[in-house]
Amino acid sequence: KQEVTQIPAALSVPEGENLVLNCSFTDSAIYNLQWFRQDPGKGLTSLLLIQSSQREQTSGRLNASLDKSSGRSTLYIAASQPGDSATYLCAVRSSGSRLTFGEGTQLTVNP
Amino acid sequence: EAGVAQSPRYKIIEKRQSVAFWCNPISGHATLYWYQQILGQGPKLLIQFQNNGVVDDSQLPKDRFSAERLKGVDSTLKIQPAKLEDSAVYLCASSSFVGSSYNEQFFGPGTRLTVL
Repeated sequence: KQEVTQIPAALSVPEGENLVLNCSFTDSAIYNLQWFRQDPGKGLTSLLLIQSSQREQTSGRLNASLDKSSGRSTLYIAASQPGDSATYLCAVRSSGSRLTFGEGTQLTVNP
Repeated sequence: EAGVAQSPRYKIIEKRQSVAFWCNPISGHATLYWYQQILGQGPKLLIQFQNNGVVDDSQLPKDRFSAERLKGVDSTLKIQPAKLEDSAVYLCASSSFVGSSYNEQFFGPGTRLTVL
């Protein structure tokens, strides 16, 4: 059974700081990994999707890496802004189309 | 392109009552998912439809939860009777299915259920 863990559970940083969110998974036989953003009271917005054959994906100030063999992924956010404040969720697709989610990292960027 | 629509956005009921949620996926998306997200946790898949057939309902509490997608488009999720522990956000998502591959999932805004 796939299990996904995200560390830290919460993170507070000053504006402008670069930061890294961590995600680990127990079963390395994955199809892909997705990072999502969730704002309070809202649904999930997909940020980046990394296929199992890829090592990283970039979108603007976001960079996600994947090390399938070690069961780890990181989401790097450069030059953080208050608008980046949200909960960030990591999800792994192991078999079929089921996504297994971590519990998320709640990020607060202080002005 | 319109996103995934869900209604209602909020619902408050008493335990043992019944409740139903509605989802309209993105046009053309064959696959539809219902997730339950308890406060402070990641979403958990309840049921997945491929067109109007069930692909995965292994985590659906079938004694009280039911879902249908009769015409392969809209879907309803029902809880009867509700328990206190059903208080959560219920998320609907959809994705396209090309060849034998499931593509990126797009999520609706969710329905926040409070059971008193």
